[in-house]
Amino acid sequence: QQQVKQSPQSLIVQKGGISIINCAYENTAFDYFPWYQQFPGKGPALLIAIRPDVSEKKEGRFTISFNKSAKQFSLHIMDSQPGDSATYFCAASETSYDKVIFGPGTSLSVIP
Amino acid sequence: DTGVSQDPRHKITKRGQNVTFRCDPISEHNRLYWYRQTLGQGPEFLTYFQNEAQLEKSRLLSDRFSAERPKGSFSTLEIQRTEQGDSAMYLCASSGGQVSYEQYFGPGTRLTVT
Repeated sequence: QQQVKQSPQSLIVQKGGISIINCAYENTAFDYFPWYQQFPGKGPALLIAIRPDVSEKKEGRFTISFNKSAKQFSLHIMDSQPGDSATYFCAASETSYDKVIFGPGTSLSVIP
Repeated sequence: DTGVSQDPRHKITKRGQNVTFRCDPISEHNRLYWYRQTLGQGPEFLTYFQNEAQLEKSRLLSDRFSAERPKGSFSTLEIQRTEQGDSAMYLCASSGGQVSYEQYFGPGTRLTVT
């Protein structure tokens, strides 16, 4: 059973557009929700993270929205650029230093 | 320190052979994690060390898998009697130090079992 669900599986966005990736979870013990970015041949890299006591967090062009009651969270990438083309994983863990449970990933392609 | 390093980057082995991978974490990090990633999927947790103590093992880690972190620094992951289903990317991550929560991932070791 997948503990963290993610959609869409793939996404094509034009340069300058907004990329939106949605995730959902079931385990109410999760208390830390990071997003990772992975380029081919590389390990995942932390992009931005949020805790459930915050409804929104913004870092540059990246924004996480969090809905605790619905157990859903999403990543918005504003002004998407070709360099943003990568696979994005939402994830969750019970504490900030615990094992991370990853979603299945979204392959993002930003076309010029 | 340039980050988490893993060796080898690629390994091709025949079914039934044993393989060992090494992970060198960021030097001040006391926590070390192993994950496995198959094509098109997110990484799956295998095991976790705090210093030299192995604190948690996933049910994915069958008896053929063993991990060690003998001096609380580098770690090894050994797979005995490899099977074709073991083909995957094996990722190591470490955390600790001043920014205690972020897990920094290495580039991974890609294992192909023929």
